[in-house]
Amino acid sequence: QSALTQPASVSGSPGQSITVSCTGTSSDVGNYYHVSWYQQHPGKAPKLIISDVTRRPSGVSNRFSGSKSGNTASLTISGLQAEDEADYYCCSYVRGGTYVFGTGTQVTVL
Amino acid sequence: QVQLVQSGAEVMEPGASVKLSCKASGYSFTTYYMHWVRQAPGQGLEWMGVISPSGDFTVYAQIFQGRVTMTRDASTSTVYMDLSSLRSDDTAVYYCARELPQSSYFDYWGQGTLVTVSS
Repeated sequence: QSALTQPASVSGSPGQSITVSCTGTSSDVGNYYHVSWYQQHPGKAPKLIISDVTRRPSGVSNRFSGSKSGNTASLTISGLQAEDEADYYCCSYVRGGTYVFGTGTQVTVL
Repeated sequence: QVQLVQSGAEVMEPGASVKLSCKASGYSFTTYYMHWVRQAPGQGLEWMGVISPSGDFTVYAQIFQGRVTMTRDASTSTVYMDLSSLRSDDTAVYYCARELPQSSYFDYWGQGTLVTVSS
């Protein structure tokens, strides 16, 4: 199972909106609504920020939103803030209880 | 509050086996699946496998088949991950992460355990 494809880096100025894409195949992202997103700051464990493509867990800022079209899922961060600077990973259910992560995207706030 | 506390860092020689632990608290241990995810230095996250709430079934990523074994002890609310035939490219931080059955996402993670494989 190959990793889902994400851009290596995305940047934006404070207050702007950015979008991180996550491209898979019809066997993973395209076939299931089970796509989640994780934020990871340096030296820290990942943190769930989006589940089931669009759902935001309690306590996660509403500046984070998710969507999906075909084999590509997307994470949008609106009103970019300095604290959003981190690595972001998507993850999709594949089949038979297995999962695959994306390659990861480093978000930089200019 | 929910906590997943993992065992301390390990330095292992190539060819050896390592057994990591993940002790859960603050929730019903026998309700949730537990996954293991690793991250090599400077690299991305890699899903390794999952163990069911009762421990009666496991699913492993194909690349770890034959080398990984996940078990759990309900009496101590602890999950274990055993990785054998260690190689230098197994050097990574290993995380446990819980999943509510059928939810397909990982809502709480352990702090991670660094395993260094070196002669």
